[in-house]
Amino acid sequence: DAKTTQPPSMDCAEGRAANLPCNHSTISGNEYVYWYRQIHSQGPQYIIHGLKNNETNEMASLIITEDRKSSTLILPHATLRDTAVYYCIVRVADGGQGGKLIFGQGTELSVKP
Amino acid sequence: DTAVSQTPKYLVTQMGNDKSIKCEQNLGHDTMYWYKQDSKKFLKIMFSYNNKELIINETVPNRFSPKSPDKAHLNLHINSLELGDSAVYFCASSGGRFSYEQYFGPGTRLTVT
Repeated sequence: DAKTTQPPSMDCAEGRAANLPCNHSTISGNEYVYWYRQIHSQGPQYIIHGLKNNETNEMASLIITEDRKSSTLILPHATLRDTAVYYCIVRVADGGQGGKLIFGQGTELSVKP
Repeated sequence: DTAVSQTPKYLVTQMGNDKSIKCEQNLGHDTMYWYKQDSKKFLKIMFSYNNKELIINETVPNRFSPKSPDKAHLNLHINSLELGDSAVYFCASSGGRFSYEQYFGPGTRLTVT
């Protein structure tokens, strides 16, 4: 079972920041937080991951709370093409369980003009 | 260049038939996966191979048999298809079990009538 909880849906205005929350209160010390997204009718796409420090790449920023029990994915300037289901996943760093990803229900983000 | 490709994209067949879905990756990755996404959009790992060796076999009916002729290919053969097998099947690959990013194919939509 997924170890994360996300709101089922969110709306965001085009050009504004989209902040997607995720709760992972039972996360273990050796587990990373990963974010993937799935645009309609496509395969999931990796966005970003982190352990305890905040991370930023060309797609998004990841903010992890100090106690690591929750995190927020930030899309700084959402576009219509960011409309997708966003999945927050926790996974051990050492490839345990064969490296499999355990997907929850995700958050369906709708970016509106 | 397509990183992870699947064929066919759509597959419509009748109950009881046997069918195969093919997956190829040109990323030089060692690990490949099959995921199933059901009608409720729930995405779940089925199998994982690392260098042609099976390392994950979730509780999948033995009608499903993965085959990896080489580390660039992971095919999925399904015997005696049932209505409940209707789903979208995604192939994915990664640099290894320890790799943080999995690359997903475009999916194969299987419809069993």
